[in-house]
Amino acid sequence: DAGVIQSPRHEVTEMGQEVTLRCKPISGHNSLFWYRQTMMRGLELLIYFNNNVPIDDSGMPEDRFSAKMPNASFSTLKIQPSEPRDSAVYFCASSLSGWGAFFGQGTRLTVV
Amino acid sequence: GEDVEQSLFLSVREGDSSVINCTYTDSSSTYLYWYKQEPGAGLQLLTYIFSNMDMKQDQRLTVLLNKKDKHLSLRIADTQTGDSAIYFCAAADNYGQNFVFGPGTRLSVLP
Repeated sequence: DAGVIQSPRHEVTEMGQEVTLRCKPISGHNSLFWYRQTMMRGLELLIYFNNNVPIDDSGMPEDRFSAKMPNASFSTLKIQPSEPRDSAVYFCASSLSGWGAFFGQGTRLTVV
Repeated sequence: GEDVEQSLFLSVREGDSSVINCTYTDSSSTYLYWYKQEPGAGLQLLTYIFSNMDMKQDQRLTVLLNKKDKHLSLRIADTQTGDSAIYFCAAADNYGQNFVFGPGTRLSVLP
C-alpha cells in the first residue's frame, strides 16, 4: 500500500481565497483524522471520521473550516475564506481499530 | 479528557542511550504509541504498547509502561545521528480512536 496520500504537498494562496486539501486514506482503514501543526500550538486534532461519519469536529477552529468524507477512500478539508493565521502544515491520518494512526506527508499551507 | 505531557528537549551523545518520558492522565487509555517526526515529514509510527503490557522491545527501541503512575518511556539504545527528530507520545481509547498527542520531545544527537 502507498500509505496515506495527501495533495497538494504545498499550497500558497491569497487571503480570502478558498483552499481545498485532499486525502486518500490507507485502503481498509475505518477512521480518518485531520490534524493541524504549528510551532505555537503543536499538533491539533481538527476532526475525525469513523466509517465515513464525522464523530468529533470540536477541534475545527470556526465555520470557515469544513471537512467531508464522501466515501471510504477520499476526504477533503476546505477553508473558505482563508486567512494568514490558517498557515500551517495540515496532516491527514488513517487507522484501523487500535493499530495506530498512519500519517500522510502533510500539506504545507501558506496564506499571504 | 486525556492530557499527554512530555519534556520538550533532550540532548545525548552518539552511542549513548536516550530515554524519552511521557505522562498521561486518563487511566482508561488502552493504546499508547510513540511516533517520530523528521523535518518536513509526517509522523511515523515507531511502536505501540497495550495497557495490559509492562514492556515491549523492538530492536533498539524499548517501551516501558507504568500504568499505576501513568508513565510511558521510550528508550533508544546506541543512539545515532539519524535518530535526531521530534518524538511524540500518544494515547488512544479502547476503540483505538480519539488519539491525543503530547507536545513532542526534540531529540538532538551530538557527535
